[in-house]
Amino acid sequence: DGGITQSPKYLFRKEGQNVTLSCEQNLNHDAMYWYRQDPGQGLRLIYYSQIVNDFQKGDIAEGYSVSREKKESFPLTVTSAQKNPTAFYLCASRTSSGTGHTDTQYFGPGTRLTVL
Amino acid sequence: GNSVTQMEGPVTLSEEAFLTINCTYTATGYPSLFWYVQYPGEGLQLLLKATKADDKGSNKGFEATYRKETTSFHLEKGSVQVSDSAVYFCALSPNYGGSQGNLIFGKGTKLSVKP
Repeated sequence: DGGITQSPKYLFRKEGQNVTLSCEQNLNHDAMYWYRQDPGQGLRLIYYSQIVNDFQKGDIAEGYSVSREKKESFPLTVTSAQKNPTAFYLCASRTSSGTGHTDTQYFGPGTRLTVL
Repeated sequence: GNSVTQMEGPVTLSEEAFLTINCTYTATGYPSLFWYVQYPGEGLQLLLKATKADDKGSNKGFEATYRKETTSFHLEKGSVQVSDSAVYFCALSPNYGGSQGNLIFGKGTKLSVKP
């Protein structure tokens, strides 16, 4: 089955530690995204990547880092510089029709990160 | 700039009631518009979309019409079920050079349907 997988589903981190969230897709999509979701708020864009070996900062990139070494994978690292990392993190990938704005983003099941 | 405003929830309805969730947007040009649904503890699923003015998106009994004149994309369903209980997000994708298919989301509206 084609889709997006995220792991782990739940992640606990001590303050001062870096953690890496996994996102894998087998949809053959070029573009991938990371969002953060907090209660009562919409999704906020952290980073996105249009092609392998390239990525751009979103609206709230501070304290996060990413890599895009393979088309299928877009891991997100939450660093100790992120002051309030407890949140629900969602990964997405997008179809590529060539028009960009008409394409659909598909989401993974999410990772809930809690800082202890 | 680009933004999406949704009616605030939570919305509580009885089964078989009519549903409307309002969504208005601010954008340059002609964005694409989307409704996503999120069930508890899960990711978002695309519910429907419309990519040009006057288009109607529909899926699973839900409908929304892209109204350019009122910059709106209200979600409707004629008869809700308990299984429709979820959070609904309205989103837009700007249409301009370099927009790169990014989405701007509203804050979400939580719907609870009681038997």
